[in-house]
Amino acid sequence: TQLLEQSPQFLSIQEGENLTVYCNSSSVFSSLQWYRQEPGEGPVLLVTVVTGGEVKKLKRLTFQFGDARKDSSLHITAAQPGDTGLYLCAGNGVYAGKSTFGDGTTLTVKP
Amino acid sequence: NAGVMQNPRHLVRRRGQEARLRCSPMKGHSHVYWYRQLPEEGLKFMVYLQKENIIDESGMPKERFSAEFPKEGPSILRIQQVVRGDSAAYFCASSPGQGHEQFFGPGTRLTVL
Repeated sequence: TQLLEQSPQFLSIQEGENLTVYCNSSSVFSSLQWYRQEPGEGPVLLVTVVTGGEVKKLKRLTFQFGDARKDSSLHITAAQPGDTGLYLCAGNGVYAGKSTFGDGTTLTVKP
Repeated sequence: NAGVMQNPRHLVRRRGQEARLRCSPMKGHSHVYWYRQLPEEGLKFMVYLQKENIIDESGMPKERFSAEFPKEGPSILRIQQVVRGDSAAYFCASSPGQGHEQFFGPGTRLTVL
């Protein structure tokens, strides 16, 4: 069974601060997705990373896929209250059809 | 291009009743996944279906729960004889193929009284 561990589980910061969320596994993934979920809504896909070492930027969000394709990080620069939500990573196994989800990081950005 | 649709958005059932949750995938997507989420927790995989086939049901409880994705119509997650512990948000996702990124619906929030 492939497992994804996300850390930290909860993060509360002030507006303007930077933060990094981690997603780690002992398994290799063919691709990895990051989602953001707001209360009462479904997860919304932010990015997919496929190549080991890949870095993708989405405005103030920077996503990195580890060289060995076992881990990933999400860095947010100058966080804003609108960034508040549950951040989920999901990995697609090399052979498995379904995705494995981490338990998520709940981010709260205070104004 | 409509996204993944789920209905109802909210469902209230009494213990012992049946709950039917519906999911219409995105246009062109033939793979459907069901997940369950408890408050302030992540998504727990339940079942993965392709048209008329169950591909992986390793996350589905052995009793009372069933899922189908017929040739025509939406995918259905059915929970028989609901208990209070079934109260949760149930999310459906779809993808165009195996191993592709998944797109989620808004979820159905089931409350069992």
